[in-house]
Amino acid sequence: AQKITQTQPGMFVQEKEAVTLDCTYDTSDPSYGLFWYKQPSSGEMIFLIYQGSYDQQNATEGRYSLNFQKARKSANLVISASQLGDSAMYFCAMITYGNNRLAFGKGNQVVVIP
Amino acid sequence: DAGVIQSPRHEVTEMGQEVTLRCKPISGHNSLFWYRQTMMRGLELLIYFNNNVPIDDSGMPEDRFSAKMPNASFSTLKIQPSEPRDSAVYFCASRFGQANYGYTFGSGTRLTVV
Repeated sequence: AQKITQTQPGMFVQEKEAVTLDCTYDTSDPSYGLFWYKQPSSGEMIFLIYQGSYDQQNATEGRYSLNFQKARKSANLVISASQLGDSAMYFCAMITYGNNRLAFGKGNQVVVIP
Repeated sequence: DAGVIQSPRHEVTEMGQEVTLRCKPISGHNSLFWYRQTMMRGLELLIYFNNNVPIDDSGMPEDRFSAKMPNASFSTLKIQPSEPRDSAVYFCASRFGQANYGYTFGSGTRLTVV
């Protein structure tokens, strides 16, 4: 079974600084994908970044990068140059291609302060 | 691209009433997913369809919940009879094939059962 763990308490980040959100996962399936989604207070789920288990390089999308450490089963999200609009809940998610279910962690709350 | 469209955005109903949530996936997407989000349990996958066929409904909490996808452009999630513990935000998401970037979520339906 898939398991995704996000255990950090809510975080306050100074505007323009970088923030790292931790995510660890557990699966026995060698083929899987990792996602990060953002959920602002308005409630929608916004896709940020994807990393495949066989990808050789860490994924990057603009100010978002994924620090993928396969041996440690971690997929931390790094947001560079935080902006006030980055205040939101951030969810780590994983799909394993054995069962094709996208499962989510509990989320990390980030508040960016000016 | 209109995105995944869910209706209604908000629903308040009395315990015991039937509730129907609606979803229109992105045109061309052939997989559709229903999720429920609560503070206690986070985001849970209820059911997903592939090419209009239910593939995995193991997340459906009980027989009061049912989902249908009569065609490629429409799906419903029905709760009958509704109970206060069903209060949650219900998300629909769609995806094209196995495309890892293709999970697009609707804006959700906030259901309150009183």
